[in-house]
Amino acid sequence: SAVISQKPSRDICQRGTSLTIQCQVDSQVTMMFWYRQQPGQSLTLIATANQGSEATYESGFVIDKFPISRPNLTFSTLTVSNMSPEDSSIYLCSVGQGTYEQYFGPGTRLTVT
Amino acid sequence: EDKVVQSPLSLVVHEGDTVTLNCSYEVTNFRSLLWYKQEKKAPTFLFMLTSSGIEKKSGRLSSILDKKELFSILNITATQTGDSAVYLCAVNLSSNTGKLIFGQGTTLQVKP
Repeated sequence: SAVISQKPSRDICQRGTSLTIQCQVDSQVTMMFWYRQQPGQSLTLIATANQGSEATYESGFVIDKFPISRPNLTFSTLTVSNMSPEDSSIYLCSVGQGTYEQYFGPGTRLTVT
Repeated sequence: EDKVVQSPLSLVVHEGDTVTLNCSYEVTNFRSLLWYKQEKKAPTFLFMLTSSGIEKKSGRLSSILDKKELFSILNITATQTGDSAVYLCAVNLSSNTGKLIFGQGTTLQVKP
């Protein structure tokens, strides 16, 4: 399986600021996804990061709040904009291709104060 | 609405016990079912199941899918304290999007 890294691993941010999370894969992958896991909850898909075009967002998530880039087949970023304490979560990227097994990165734990 | 439900939500056992975790689903356009183990932040992949009745096995863990009754089970035999984690079940809805719908997770605690 692909080796996935995320930066930062964790961060504490102030309300109203923005944070960009990076996801890097050691090989080219077809699909990249961004998930959110709020405290005590399961994972929820935010969007599919599409290479060379706009991301596909799930219901309840909008581009202005969670802009996503995917400039190539090995890298993607998720920005959490104008943060509030409700954005405190673990943010995870995942990758999939071929048989559609999906593998997750190590995650970014975000705390908004 | 697409739904994945896991049971039990939490479970406490002692080392050496065997546990069975359940996952039922009601979704459109089922593609596959995946099991993950989450210890800290990152879910680690365990199994992907696409066909009914074919058991997948890895060491002390095994899983099987029943597409007629719309459920899957994850078995862990001879549990160890290192098996303590949240076990997540997810359904892949479509071969085109790769989207996963997750259940709530089962928190397993294995006591020495």
